[in-house]
Amino acid sequence: EPEVTQTPSHQVTQMGQEVILRCVPISNHLYFYWYRQILGQKVEFLVSFYNNEISEKSEIFDDQFSVERPDGSNFTLKIRSTKLEDSAMYFCASISDPREPGNTIYFGEGSWLTVV
Amino acid sequence: DAKTTQPTSMDCAEGRAANLPCNHSTISGNEYVYWYRQIHSQGPQYIIHGLKNNETNEMASLIITEDRKSSTLILPHATLRDTAVYYCIVRVVWGSNYKLTFGKGTLLTVNP
Repeated sequence: EPEVTQTPSHQVTQMGQEVILRCVPISNHLYFYWYRQILGQKVEFLVSFYNNEISEKSEIFDDQFSVERPDGSNFTLKIRSTKLEDSAMYFCASISDPREPGNTIYFGEGSWLTVV
Repeated sequence: DAKTTQPTSMDCAEGRAANLPCNHSTISGNEYVYWYRQIHSQGPQYIIHGLKNNETNEMASLIITEDRKSSTLILPHATLRDTAVYYCIVRVVWGSNYKLTFGKGTLLTVNP
């Protein structure tokens, strides 16, 4: 089965530092997402990305966050000046064409970020 | 997207069928019902989806009522590895909203 892969699986960072979370979406997928899940809470949408630009973003996705597709395979989430409340599991997801009902959004296994 | 209502938790005996209900009484005609699950903080895993007909795949069956206001996910022979949080999500496929909005889901515990 195709996989979305994420690195690192776990990162510990000092408050105020910048973090880059990396994702390799499924190879023929064109639409990408980042979600986060604070421990014990719901999975929350952050941002979606298509054709090298943000398609939609939530209120959580403020100027502290940015996304990039630096090459043909990676999709990154950058968090600047991390805060304690950024500690969460971050999930990357992708889909080939979200307009087709038969297509599935696939999620990676997540990157667990701990800000200390 | 239409709001869904699911029980907070359910138990099921290993080997028995697990029937997880979902209420989506405000669903509109162009919204699909999707089911995902999350096993202990792993990434959400797609299970099945449907519009108005019942669906079956290797993982589960999805029964959607005729008025589409509710659905049931059926795991025919639950195993311990099926213990997870199950999310029922309705999503417009056509249009500009291409994201999944997760609720709190149902924690299914499969007991030996």
